[in-house]
Amino acid sequence: EIVLTQSPATLSLSPGERATLSCRASQSVRGYLAWYQQKPGQAPRLLIYDVSDRATGIPARFSGSGSGTDFSLTISSLEPEDFAVYYCQQRYSWPLTFGGGTKVEIK
Amino acid sequence: QVQLVESGGGVVQPGRSLRLSCAASGFSFSNNAMHWVRQPPGKGLEWVAIIWSDGSKKYYTDSVKGRFTISRDNSENTLYLQMDSLRVEDTAVYHCARGVAVTGNPNFFDPWGQGTLVTVSS
Repeated sequence: EIVLTQSPATLSLSPGERATLSCRASQSVRGYLAWYQQKPGQAPRLLIYDVSDRATGIPARFSGSGSGTDFSLTISSLEPEDFAVYYCQQRYSWPLTFGGGTKVEIK
Repeated sequence: QVQLVESGGGVVQPGRSLRLSCAASGFSFSNNAMHWVRQPPGKGLEWVAIIWSDGSKKYYTDSVKGRFTISRDNSENTLYLQMDSLRVEDTAVYHCARGVAVTGNPNFFDPWGQGTLVTVSS
């Protein structure tokens, strides 16, 4: 099973600041990595797939990068609605796995 | 618009069974693989199972193999999860999700349903 480790667990930032979230895989997942956003009481929403492709309707301030085992999600300038929990997920091998999540909170 | 609505959750004793349903609308259900993903209260996400669009292939996470069965009725646009021999550790919100991918297996999730809560407790 591929283990995804996200860091930091919590990121405290102010609106307008840049957020960089990390996801490290226990083995290569090639380009098969996605990022999801989850707000309290809501279902997760797909943000980024295949490392760097934005899903439909996702603003350009969200971007993904990385390869192999190290990936990152960047929010260029935090909007109030971006404070949420973010999960990475790999689809390279079974079972499909998620990282433990990074909470982006208002400082 | 694309919509997924789960139902069937509730409180059940350990060892008992429950069947979840997921009603799909707004897209061609019969042409899409579907997943179940669960989230224990206050915790992270765990993938549970996938069923191919025609039901020909199914995969499960190890912790539910032999106890859970995923199925679908393409004539009714409905996905199911039959959960037998339930354990306390199966307590979670269960989401259904459409499987998507540009290439390869449709193993990203978009969109997700709101979920239905399953509580296993004596």
